[in-house]
Amino acid sequence: EDQVTQSPEALRLQEGESSSLNCSYTVSGLRGLFWYRQDPGKGPEFLFTLYSAGEEKEKERLKATLTKKESFLHITAPKPEDSATYLCAVSPSGGGSQGNLIFGKGTKLSVKP
Amino acid sequence: GAGVSQSPSNKVTEKGKDVELRCDPISGHTALYWYRQSLGQGLEFLIYFQGNSAPDKSGLPSDRFSAERTGGSVSTLTIQRTQQEDSAVYLCASSLRLAGQETQYFGPGTRLLVL
Repeated sequence: EDQVTQSPEALRLQEGESSSLNCSYTVSGLRGLFWYRQDPGKGPEFLFTLYSAGEEKEKERLKATLTKKESFLHITAPKPEDSATYLCAVSPSGGGSQGNLIFGKGTKLSVKP
Repeated sequence: GAGVSQSPSNKVTEKGKDVELRCDPISGHTALYWYRQSLGQGLEFLIYFQGNSAPDKSGLPSDRFSAERTGGSVSTLTIQRTQQEDSAVYLCASSLRLAGQETQYFGPGTRLLVL
């Protein structure tokens, strides 16, 4: 069964304290892995798409990496405005999938000044 | 429009009533998806439309749920005889659905509360 597991469920950081969020996945073939940011009361906001192991993408203080079994979202010197829930999702290529995303439950990040 | 739009943003209804939720995808996107996000749960896939193909309804939780997409653009998700467990945020997303351009872009969601 295709599955996505994110850890930790919640993470509290001090401003400037770098850390990483983990996304482990089990899929029958990977079309793509996606990271989204979701603020309370809003829809998920796209951050990154990764397609193959070894791929890395960066945006401001965020860097996403991908291996054959997991992805990491590295946050360097976070600021309070980085506080949000970060969602990981995969698009499986096998079975009867029609391209819908399978989401993890997210990591709620809080950055204190 | 610049992004995916959804309406209404909030909907309060009584148990047993029907509701319609609307989604306007990004112009030119051929694929449209509906998801449901319940408190404490991850996003749950409901239904997927791609061009003129038959929709993938494999995620619909019961036959009270249905959706249509008119003219390959706007979509409506209908929930008949609403139940309290239908209370959730309903999210719509669209994508180009091309190799290397799989990213789904989400709307702001409709928050449904069934009393």
